[in-house]
Parts: sequence; structure tokens; C-alpha cells
Amino acid sequence: RKEVEQDPGPFNVPEGATVAFNCTYSNSASQSFFWYRQDCRKEPKLLMSVYSSGNEDGRFTAQLNRASQYISLLIRDSKLSDSATYLCVVNGYGQNFVFGPGTRLSVLP
Amino acid sequence: GAVVSQHPSWVICKSGTSVKIECRSLDFQATTMFWYRQFPKQSLMLMATSNEGSKATYEQGVEKDKFLINHASLTLSTLTVTSAHPEDSSFYICSAASGTGGYEQYFGPGTRLTVT
Repeated sequence: RKEVEQDPGPFNVPEGATVAFNCTYSNSASQSFFWYRQDCRKEPKLLMSVYSSGNEDGRFTAQLNRASQYISLLIRDSKLSDSATYLCVVNGYGQNFVFGPGTRLSVLP
Repeated sequence: GAVVSQHPSWVICKSGTSVKIECRSLDFQATTMFWYRQFPKQSLMLMATSNEGSKATYEQGVEKDKFLINHASLTLSTLTVTSAHPEDSSFYICSAASGTGGYEQYFGPGTRLTVT
């Protein structure tokens, strides 16, 4: 089993839709969790950290479920500019950051 | 947010030559810097982790003698691809982080290397 798994997509959704991504991780000792977005041929950019209590930033909501070892990202009112690949990142023991393969989102007009 | 720069942004070199890529944290001190490689339509693959003033820790399968990493200061790390081959052509991205444990990484814009 891979350390971090994501549905590669693509998720094709219309503008204004709500879309959710899940990411599962295998290392129960993982300590920190992040969502990054990566545009084609560009570097990843931090979207948000994921806290145990869940956190929200505008249209984006991230949640962590330690018992089931997954994190989620919810995007409400999708915009065309949200089209990107969303990377789940897990920081395991010893500061080893592991990236998921990414989920590709296309928001359609 | 924190800014990380990389230089050069793209480079074309001949097979057998060496290429040096610089990664700088511009507005914060990076305790740790990471080097990644990304092939087309694939995820980032961590190559090595470097802490300022100490030897880099390489991931399994990454040749340390081929990919030389130097982290001489808290704001600069370099990756040198020695004796480059066409299969080394890739997108190399560095990231920098401050503090210990549970910190966020900030990525440089990447360097696209093409070896002919």
C-alpha cells in the first residue's frame, strides 16, 4: 500500500459546483497534513494546512480524520481558476514529507 | 508568504556535463531544504533532504555521487547534477522550511533541465 493515496481524477465539474477530494495515508504516526495545488508546469503552492479540528479558508474546507487516516478538501462554488492538481502532503515521523499523486480538477464553464 | 527562488529556471546541457541549480529562501531562514524531481504527469518525488551545515539525506535509489547537494547557509542550497544524461531531464523543484516538525514547505519555481 502506498503511503499516501489519492484518486487521480480527473474531476470535471461545472462552475459553481461543490467538489470534495479525499486522501488516505498509511502511517498512523503522521503528524502534519497539508493540501497543495499545482498548476501545469508550475511549482506546488500551499493551499492550506489541515488541523485536527478542521479548518476553513473562504471556499475551502479541510478536515482530518485520524481514526480512519484520511484528510479531505472541500471546494465550494468552484471557479474556473480552481482548475489544477491538488496534492495531499503528509509529514511522517522524522520530518519525511510524502506527497500523494494528486487529484486533477477541471472546472468547466 | 515565504518566497523561495531557484536559478536557473531552465537549462539545456550536453550529455556528460554538470549542471548546478541554486535554491534560495529570500525572506526567511530555512533550517531544511528539500529537492524534488517531477517527470511529466507524475507526482513529485523527493530526492533528498538537506539541513544547513550537515550532509544531505538521500532517498532510496537516488545516487548521492551523481546529485551533489550542498546546504552551506540557512538561505542557500545547491543541487549539482554531475555527468548528466538524457534520462536526467526533468523538472527539479526545491522547497524550504523553517523550524522543526509540522512545518510548511515553500517551493521554488522549479528548474527545467533538458539534457541533449
